[in-house]
Amino acid sequence: DTGVSQDPRHKITKRGQNVTFRCDPISEHNRLYWYRQTLGQGPEFLTYFQNEAQLEKSRLLSDRFSAERPKGSFSTLEIQRTEQGDSAMYLCASSLWTAGVNTEAFFGQGTRLTVV
Amino acid sequence: KNEVEQSPQNLTAQEGEFITINCSYSVGISALHWLQQHPGGGIVSLFMLSSGKKKHGRLIATINIQEKHSSLHITASHPRDSAVYICAVMRDSNYQLIWGAGTKLIIKP
Repeated sequence: DTGVSQDPRHKITKRGQNVTFRCDPISEHNRLYWYRQTLGQGPEFLTYFQNEAQLEKSRLLSDRFSAERPKGSFSTLEIQRTEQGDSAMYLCASSLWTAGVNTEAFFGQGTRLTVV
Repeated sequence: KNEVEQSPQNLTAQEGEFITINCSYSVGISALHWLQQHPGGGIVSLFMLSSGKKKHGRLIATINIQEKHSSLHITASHPRDSAVYICAVMRDSNYQLIWGAGTKLIIKP
C-alpha cells in the first residue's frame, strides 16, 4: 500500500467552474476525512465518512460542496461554481476505527486549488 | 485562548542540535498527532499518541495526559528536518482534529 493518495496534486480553475478531487485512502481504513487549509492557517475539518456513510459535515461545507464515498473506498470532493475564496489546500486523511478506538490517521499530500 | 498552543512559533538551530517543540491543549482528547509539513504543503504523520512515549529514528514524542502537554524532540538535527511541525489533537468524539499553529523549524548546516 502506498498510503493515502490524492489526485490531482494541483488544480487551477476559473471562477464559476466546477472541480472534483479524488482521495484514495489506505485500503483497510474505514474512516476518511476531508480538511481544507488556507495559506497561513491550520487545516479545518470539512467532513468525514465511516465506510460509505457521511457522518459529519462542518458548517464550512456550503451547498456548493459535496463529498461522496460511494463504495466505502475512494472519496470525491466536488466544488460547484468555484469562488476565489475556495483557493486552498484540500487534504484527505484516513484511519481505521474499530470498537471505539481510532488508529493513527495518515494524510495525503493534498490537492492545491487555485481559483483565478 | 486557542485550544492547542505550540511553542516556539519559529526555531532556528545549527545542525546537530537537540530540538524540542512543545504542545499544550485545553480540551479532552482521544489522541494527539505530530505532523510534519514541508514547503509545497504535503503532510506526513509522524506520531499518534494517547499516552507515554514513542520513538522513530531520531524523533521522540512524549505526552502527559494529566498536564495536557506533549513534546516532540529531534536528536542530532539535520537540515532535512527543516519543516513546519504541527501538533493536532483529536477530540473525544473521535473525528475532529484541532490543529496548533505549527512550529517552523530551520536547521542550518
